[in-house]
Amino acid sequence: EAAVTQSPRNKVAVTGGKVTLSCNQTNNHNNMYWYRQDTGHGLRLIHYSYGAGSTEKGDIPDGYKASRPSQENFSLILELATPSQTSVYFCASGTGGDTQYFGPGTRLLVL
Amino acid sequence: QQKVQQSPESLSVPEGGMASLNCTSSDRNFQYFWWYRQHSGEGPKALMSIFSDGDKKEGRFTAHLNKASLHVSLHIRDSQPSDSALYFCAAYYGSSGNKLIFGIGTLLSVKP
Repeated sequence: EAAVTQSPRNKVAVTGGKVTLSCNQTNNHNNMYWYRQDTGHGLRLIHYSYGAGSTEKGDIPDGYKASRPSQENFSLILELATPSQTSVYFCASGTGGDTQYFGPGTRLLVL
Repeated sequence: QQKVQQSPESLSVPEGGMASLNCTSSDRNFQYFWWYRQHSGEGPKALMSIFSDGDKKEGRFTAHLNKASLHVSLHIRDSQPSDSALYFCAAYYGSSGNKLIFGIGTLLSVKP
């Protein structure tokens, strides 16, 4: 079974603080994705990557940056966290239109 | 922007019953539809994909695609309490890059 791990699993941050969410995959997939999940909105794509060194904007990139330093690792960075970024964040890996494998999620609360 | 609409938002069926979930694409240029399932506290997990008109069956799960109406459905027969979860439909549009567009989900509850 493909493996995607996320850290931390839970995070409490203060408004204006910097938050980094990390994701690691051992599937050797080229593509990695960051989503946020909110009731009434489903899964919305924030940033994605085609491989090490590449990042692409998804559908809701404002307020977020991404970094893909290696095939295995993909980070989501909130430089100045706001309460509206309180959500559950999922990382996934995959190959094009094929199956995406999701991590267990990170629950972020911005106070 | 491509969108995927799901219905109903929530659904309750008795154990052993049939659950039917629906999904429609706003754009006919999709290549695949996917169904994902998410149990509480976990990440979504892929159930099945479909890209040809007609039915695709995997165990108790049957997906049906009608390309002309841009509609896909998922039918779960002999529903079990363990099927209680949030079900997402997602469309893959090759023109949008290597990404899926997800619907908002259908919350299925199977009552013993």
